[in-house]
Amino acid sequence: DAGVIQSPRHEVTEMGQEVTLRCKPISGHDYLFWYRQTMMRGLELLIYFNNNVPIDDSGMPEDRFSAKMPNASFSTLKIQPSEPRDSAVYFCASSLSLGDQPQHFGDGTRLSIL
Amino acid sequence: DQQVKQNSPSLSVQEGRISILNCDYTNSMFDYFLWYKKYPAEGPTFLISISSIKDKNEDGRFTVFLNKSAKHLSLHIVPSQPGDSAVYFCAAIGTYKYIFGTGTRLKVLA
Repeated sequence: DAGVIQSPRHEVTEMGQEVTLRCKPISGHDYLFWYRQTMMRGLELLIYFNNNVPIDDSGMPEDRFSAKMPNASFSTLKIQPSEPRDSAVYFCASSLSLGDQPQHFGDGTRLSIL
Repeated sequence: DQQVKQNSPSLSVQEGRISILNCDYTNSMFDYFLWYKKYPAEGPTFLISISSIKDKNEDGRFTVFLNKSAKHLSLHIVPSQPGDSAVYFCAAIGTYKYIFGTGTRLKVLA
């Protein structure tokens, strides 16, 4: 079975540009999560979806960040306009439920904003 | 405020010895706790979990202990192997909440 697939693996762009990160969850998983990893804060949950509906977006840093899940097999995280402090590794994960079911992570997108 | 804390950013252990990774939390309403392991350039992978109604769970070389009164959990790896060198994250799950710690980098020396 394919795991969680993220694209691109690396993104380098200039400040002010729009950035779109993509995620394909594991088929059959009802929950999808977006995380940002930084040295200072570790893995921060940005937003998560249940059955394509956003449940908790309290971790989204500001209005420049938005996430969508138009169907069960695809989600995007968009940053517009991007800033150098957005540079980080962004992970997508999916799971069967929110309880003790583990999350399955993609390999991440390393984002560098110049 | 960080509800889940891993106060040791790094730990070095000799091969064959025990590795003990610690995690503290502030919210007594968490229902489950999980440990993940992360290698460079890869996403975290699930290692072991424990329900808040238990105080110990074991899986091979990995054991997680939960002390609810102290709001503390720990992961024991015995014996430690060089392949265990990675960053370890603890995570706590409550109602609609899934919170990770900042991670501890474990280095197992051959």
